[in-house]
Amino acid sequence: RKEVEQDPGPFNVPEGATVAFNCTYSNSASQSFFWYRQDCRKEPKLLMSVYSSGNEDGRFTAQLNRASQYISLLIRDSKLSDSATYLCVVNAMEYGNKLVFGAGTILRVKS
Amino acid sequence: DGGITQSPKYLFRKEGQNVTLSCEQNLNHDAMYWYRQDPGQGLRLIYYSQIVNDFQKGDIAEGYSVSREKKESFPLTVTSAQKNPTAFYLCASYPGIGETQYFGPGTRLLVL
Repeated sequence: RKEVEQDPGPFNVPEGATVAFNCTYSNSASQSFFWYRQDCRKEPKLLMSVYSSGNEDGRFTAQLNRASQYISLLIRDSKLSDSATYLCVVNAMEYGNKLVFGAGTILRVKS
Repeated sequence: DGGITQSPKYLFRKEGQNVTLSCEQNLNHDAMYWYRQDPGQGLRLIYYSQIVNDFQKGDIAEGYSVSREKKESFPLTVTSAQKNPTAFYLCASYPGIGETQYFGPGTRLLVL
């Protein structure tokens, strides 16, 4: 079983749609959680951290369920510029703050 | 501007050749990391360094070597022992507790 699992997609949605991505992780000792965004042939960039109480940044909402070892990302009012691969990332606080990456979920927003 | 730079953007390797990928940061971060990304897969950790003159193997260190002689620099050498080197190589640095890692723009390595 992979340490971090995501639905690879692609998710093809129209502009203005709401879309949700899910992620599960296997290491119950994991301490920190993040969503990164990666554009084609570019480096991953931090989108947002994920906190236990849930957090929102504009059109983006992240949720964490430690009991189920489950992380989600909700994007409201999708824009064409949201098209990218979204990476679920977990820091197990071992190996010098090693990050464990999911393979990513592809989002394509169409006009 | 503070940031992480990687060079070259594209690198071509001939069979049996060692090649070195550069990673430099002026963010004053102690910890630096090298990852490899293959299509359809998550990033995998090759090596990491938490402090100058010290580094540790990650999950896929075979066929790679690193050095950390300066805080700002963490070069990665892909040796001839790495039989499948074609990938996107990403360098990252870490500010400290409560933060996450930040990435350079990456180097694409192709085998001729």
